Amino acid sequence: QKEVEQNSGPLSVPEGAIASLNCTYSDRVSQSFFWYRQYSGKSPELIMSIYSNGDKEDGRFTAQLNKASQYVSLLIRDSQPSDSATYLCAVTDAGGTSYGKLTFGQGTILTVHP
Amino acid sequence: SQTIHQWPATLVQPVGSPLSLECTVEGTSNPNLYWYRQAAGRGLQLLFYSVGIGQISSEVPQNLSASRPQDRQFILSSKKLLLSDSGFYLCAWSVMNYGYTFGSGTRLTVV
Repeated sequence: QKEVEQNSGPLSVPEGAIASLNCTYSDRVSQSFFWYRQYSGKSPELIMSIYSNGDKEDGRFTAQLNKASQYVSLLIRDSQPSDSATYLCAVTDAGGTSYGKLTFGQGTILTVHP
Repeated sequence: SQTIHQWPATLVQPVGSPLSLECTVEGTSNPNLYWYRQAAGRGLQLLFYSVGIGQISSEVPQNLSASRPQDRQFILSSKKLLLSDSGFYLCAWSVMNYGYTFGSGTRLTVV
């Protein structure tokens, strides 16, 4: 059974700091990786996707992927109180019979305090 | 642009009553469609997915069912709700492996 593991937190960082969120996955054939942000009471929102080893930057967000270690992370630079949310890591394989199904981690609660 | 509509936003239903939640997608053709449930303080649990009209795959045995009568319409149903069916129900769509776009969700409370 595919598993995606995240530290549930809460992770608390001061405003302006770097928040580092980590995720490990069990299925070695996984090919696509996503980070979602979910505010309390709202639906998840896709913020980053990464498909190959290395770093991918988008504004204040950087996703990092290491397939050999089965590890994916999300860095949030210059953290703002508005970044306070639950961050969900999601993983899928290349397709085939999975039809793009995502397996989600339990999520990490991030709190950015002024 | 693609949009996904999900309704109702909130629902309070008595135990044993039926359920029908609807989801529609606009701006795309032949999307993969998904129903997830998120219990309070828990992760996302995949309930059903569909790759085409009339094609439904169930991930978790339960008293829920799903149907896809049209390409961009996905319906979640139950004949008799249980207390354990309470949760936040999310519809999502995807094309290939580019990640999901979620609807706004339905918060169901079974009393």
